[in-house]
Amino acid sequence: EDQVTQSPEALRLQEGESSSLNCSYTVSGLRGLFWYRQDPGKGPEFLFTLYSAGEEKEKERLKATLTKKESFLHITAPKPEDSATYLCAVANYGGSQGNLIFGKGTKLSVKP
Amino acid sequence: EAGVAQSPRYKIIEKRQSVAFWCNPISGHATLYWYQQILGQGPKLLIQFQNNGVVDDSQLPKDRFSAERLKGVDSTLKIQPAKLEDSAVYLCASSLSRAETQYFGPGTRLLVL
Repeated sequence: EDQVTQSPEALRLQEGESSSLNCSYTVSGLRGLFWYRQDPGKGPEFLFTLYSAGEEKEKERLKATLTKKESFLHITAPKPEDSATYLCAVANYGGSQGNLIFGKGTKLSVKP
Repeated sequence: EAGVAQSPRYKIIEKRQSVAFWCNPISGHATLYWYQQILGQGPKLLIQFQNNGVVDDSQLPKDRFSAERLKGVDSTLKIQPAKLEDSAVYLCASSLSRAETQYFGPGTRLLVL
């Protein structure tokens, strides 16, 4: 069964304190791994898609990396506005393709 | 470019009542998805449409949930009758095609009392 596990569940950082969020997955043929950001009361906002092990993508203070079993979202010198829940999801080649399987998310709080 | 639109944004109903949610996807997006997100969980797919046809509804509780996408654009998700455990955020997403990035709407927050 395809599964996504995110850790930690919650992370509290001081402004400027860099850290990483983890997403471990088991999937029968990875088509893509997706990172989304979700603010309270809003829908998930797309950040990155990673397709193969070794791939990296960056956007402002965020950098996503992918291995064969997990992905990391690195946050460098975070600011309070980076506070949100970060969701990881995978899509496989089987079944209905486009379906995303989500983890429970990591709630990030950045204090000034 | 306009994003995915959903309405209403909030809904409170009594158990055993019915409710309907509406979604308008990004223009030109052929694939439309409905997800259910329970508090503290990630979104879970309910149904996927490709144009106006159902691709996957394996996780849709068909005894009470129904969805349609007439004319391959807007979609409606209905719950009848609602149960307490249906309290959740219902998210609509769309993508250019089945293998493309999904973009989400703001969601409809449903509370069943």
